Amino acid sequence: NAGVTQTPKFQVLKTGQSMTLQCAQDMNHEYMSWYRQDPGMGLRLIHYSVGAGITDQGEVPNGYNVSRSTTEDFPLRLLSAAPSQTSVYFCASRLAGGREQFFGPGTRLTVL
Amino acid sequence: TQLLEQSPQFLSIQEGENLTVYCNSSSVFSSLQWYRQEPGEGPVLLVTVVTGGEVKKLKRLTFQFGDARKDSSLHITAAQPGDTGLYLCAGLNTGTASKLTFGTGTRLQVTL
Repeated sequence: NAGVTQTPKFQVLKTGQSMTLQCAQDMNHEYMSWYRQDPGMGLRLIHYSVGAGITDQGEVPNGYNVSRSTTEDFPLRLLSAAPSQTSVYFCASRLAGGREQFFGPGTRLTVL
Repeated sequence: TQLLEQSPQFLSIQEGENLTVYCNSSSVFSSLQWYRQEPGEGPVLLVTVVTGGEVKKLKRLTFQFGDARKDSSLHITAAQPGDTGLYLCAGLNTGTASKLTFGTGTRLQVTL
């Protein structure tokens, strides 16, 4: 199993550009989540999904969109990037009845 | 919004020393998790504590969940350079089972 994979590893955007961060898992996990990690603030939940076709907002959803068309994939879209979105982004997944979250390796995004 | 404060924020110690990291909240959680994160990687789960007052040991690491399920501590005995990393606590509630609330993090450096 590859676990949770994320692409790209690094990305630099200009203000106003759009992009999609990809996340995939091969563990058949129902729950998937996106977090952003900023210095001194831990990880903050952006959006999450409890299954294909179902998504909901987390703590810091503004400026981000998600969709969940399959169990395996959970892409995160930035429609118009802003410097405040410079961060490291982590995707995670877990079983519906489980407590352990499995994290991907992260995407480091810089918005100029 | 539930908050988890960790202390200290940074800790630099020498090999062989003992240390304790604290995770405090004004909110009650159904369970508390501790993760360790290496540079350039996602967090990896170390332990989950569920019962108030519970103590779990993982080799030289001892985790305790407070009686009121609002706080937790991580104690490392005879720290080694391999313990270096970012330690994150995270609270989980059954009511919002898909959401983990992460602490602010403690960055530990263990030198020879």
